[in-house]
Amino acid sequence: NAGVTQTPKFRILKIGQSMTLQCAQDMNHNYMYWYRQDPGMGLKLIYYSVGAGITDKGEVPNGYNVSRSTTEDFPLRLELAAPSQTSVYFCASSPRQTTYEQYFGPGTRLTVT
Amino acid sequence: KQEVTQIPAALSVPEGENLVLNCSFTDSAIYNLQWFRQDPGKGLTSLLLIQSSQREQTSGRLNASLDKSSGRSTLYIAASQPGDSATYLCAVPQGGSNYKLTFGKGTLLTVNP
Repeated sequence: NAGVTQTPKFRILKIGQSMTLQCAQDMNHNYMYWYRQDPGMGLKLIYYSVGAGITDKGEVPNGYNVSRSTTEDFPLRLELAAPSQTSVYFCASSPRQTTYEQYFGPGTRLTVT
Repeated sequence: KQEVTQIPAALSVPEGENLVLNCSFTDSAIYNLQWFRQDPGKGLTSLLLIQSSQREQTSGRLNASLDKSSGRSTLYIAASQPGDSATYLCAVPQGGSNYKLTFGKGTLLTVNP
């Protein structure tokens, strides 16, 4: 049981480039989330999904897109990278049960220059 | 809009000391509150989740309390150890949700040997 996995761990992008951050979980959780964490700040919710085929915007969705074709995977797409997207990105998942306790991946550190 | 504040921003204590971390939130209509630990360059680890119907949760040397009416939670760490050094984050669900989290900025704890 690997929990929540994220790839890559680090990435440097040039302004205007695109990339996909991968996230997978093997806990059969219905709910999945993408957060970003800027230095010295708490995490902010970018997008979330309550099940395969269902996604919705969080607090800071601009510049990102997501898809959820399977229960296991929840990729985050950056189409035109901007310096303001330099951050650490965390994926999380939770079961659709009473507690909704969230489990986090190790993060992807992204720098846009 | 839910806002979460954590005080202090940083705390340094000698090994063996008992300590309290504080978390306050503006919207008391929450389903739960979760405390996380974040080690440098790592993801978040869930420590304790308190349901809105509970007043306390304990795990080992950690005890978290919740007072919904005053919008406050505390994380008590007994007999602190150098291995407890990390950033501690609290999070509550955003308005009306039971899974979309709003995070505080965290308290950076350093336990000195």
